Amino acid sequence: AQSVTQLDSQVPVFEEAPVELRCNYSSSVSVYLFWYVQYPNQGLQLLLKYLSGSTLVESINGFEAEFNKSQTSFHLRKPSVHISDTAEYFCAVSDPLRGGSNYKLTFGKGTLLTVNP
Amino acid sequence: DAGVIQSPRHEVTEMGQEVTLRCKPISGHDYLFWYRQTMMRGLELLIYFNNNVPIDDSGMPEDRFSAKMPNASFSTLKIQPSEPRDSAVYFCASSLGTNYSPLHFGNGTRLTVT
Repeated sequence: AQSVTQLDSQVPVFEEAPVELRCNYSSSVSVYLFWYVQYPNQGLQLLLKYLSGSTLVESINGFEAEFNKSQTSFHLRKPSVHISDTAEYFCAVSDPLRGGSNYKLTFGKGTLLTVNP
Repeated sequence: DAGVIQSPRHEVTEMGQEVTLRCKPISGHDYLFWYRQTMMRGLELLIYFNNNVPIDDSGMPEDRFSAKMPNASFSTLKIQPSEPRDSAVYFCASSLGTNYSPLHFGNGTRLTVT
């Protein structure tokens, strides 16, 4: 079974500072990788995903993540964070489902990003 | 599109009582997943359905947990009898079965068993 390690449970930063949230996964086979964001009292929302192609993927709100196969990593970065980015961020890796082209997700334990003024 | 709808948002019950959590997936989605979130264990997949059929329930903790999907627009997760260690946030998610479409999550049900 797949496993995902998010190395930091909490990351406090100041507004407009850069941030990197780290994620490593266990699989040695082809995988699909995802970052989800969870705002307080809400469900998880997809932030970005890597399926194939360019190893650098971007979200619409300025986050990016780079797939590094040799290091089995998928770190999330943003060059300048806002107060509104305060949330919990989950890295996830796909596990193929029996039949079909869909998958189930195995999640890391999450990183709480707190952006302070 | 109203998204995935879960009810209730909060449930407080006493140990030994039966608890039923409900989920309405996004119309047209043919996969449905139940996840449990706790501080200690993070997000755990309990069970998932494809076209209303349970495919993998290996994540269900024990026989006290059961899940059903009687039709494409409704699923339940039942705990009977409930125990304090079942306290968690339970999420339902749905997705299309094509092109590795993303999971769409509901807002969750926060269960507290006293």
